[in-house]
Amino acid sequence: AQTVTQSQPEMSVQEAETVTLSCTYDTSENNYYLFWYKQPPSRQMILVIRQEAYKQQNATENRFSVNFQKAAKSFSLKISDSQLGDTAMYFCAFLSGATNKLIFGTGTLLAVQP
Amino acid sequence: SAVISQKPSRDICQRGTSLTIQCQVDSQVTMMFWYRQQPGQSLTLIATANQGSEATYESGFVIDKFPISRPNLTFSTLTVSNMSPEDSSIYLCSAGQGLSTDTQYFGPGTRLTVL
Repeated sequence: AQTVTQSQPEMSVQEAETVTLSCTYDTSENNYYLFWYKQPPSRQMILVIRQEAYKQQNATENRFSVNFQKAAKSFSLKISDSQLGDTAMYFCAFLSGATNKLIFGTGTLLAVQP
Repeated sequence: SAVISQKPSRDICQRGTSLTIQCQVDSQVTMMFWYRQQPGQSLTLIATANQGSEATYESGFVIDKFPISRPNLTFSTLTVSNMSPEDSSIYLCSAGQGLSTDTQYFGPGTRLTVL
């Protein structure tokens, strides 16, 4: 069975600084997708970034980028130029290409300090 | 991305009653899902809502407790039956984009409190 592990329950960063959130996963599949979702206090789950496992190039979305290490089964999220609005719970998630089921990590609560 | 709405956004219910949560997508989608997020926890998949057939439930969730309907490609409901305080959670629905099965977008969630 697939598992997703986020080892940092809470993190803090100063506004305009860079922060990296860690995620590791375990799977025997070759066809899968990885995601970072953001859940602010409003509780809306917002898709931040998506990575296809078959792509070697790391995904980038504006200030958000990932470091995808397939062999190490690692998928970290880097947030550059952190903004107050980035304060939220961040969930790493694994989607099986075989079952279309999304499995979430336990989340990292990120606080951006002014 | 798909735009998903849920009703109600929150509710407070008495033990032993049932609540039906509605999920509406702004376009036809192949896949729809229901998740539970208990207080301070991550999301757990309850079931996949299949159009025209019975929902597929995950281990630990049963149809009698969480009946699901999916009458068409844009709408689904989840009922939480015979509620107890342990059912107090946020319930979220998600959907793929059109025929896509490789990305899920989420509704705003329904915060349920059972007294």
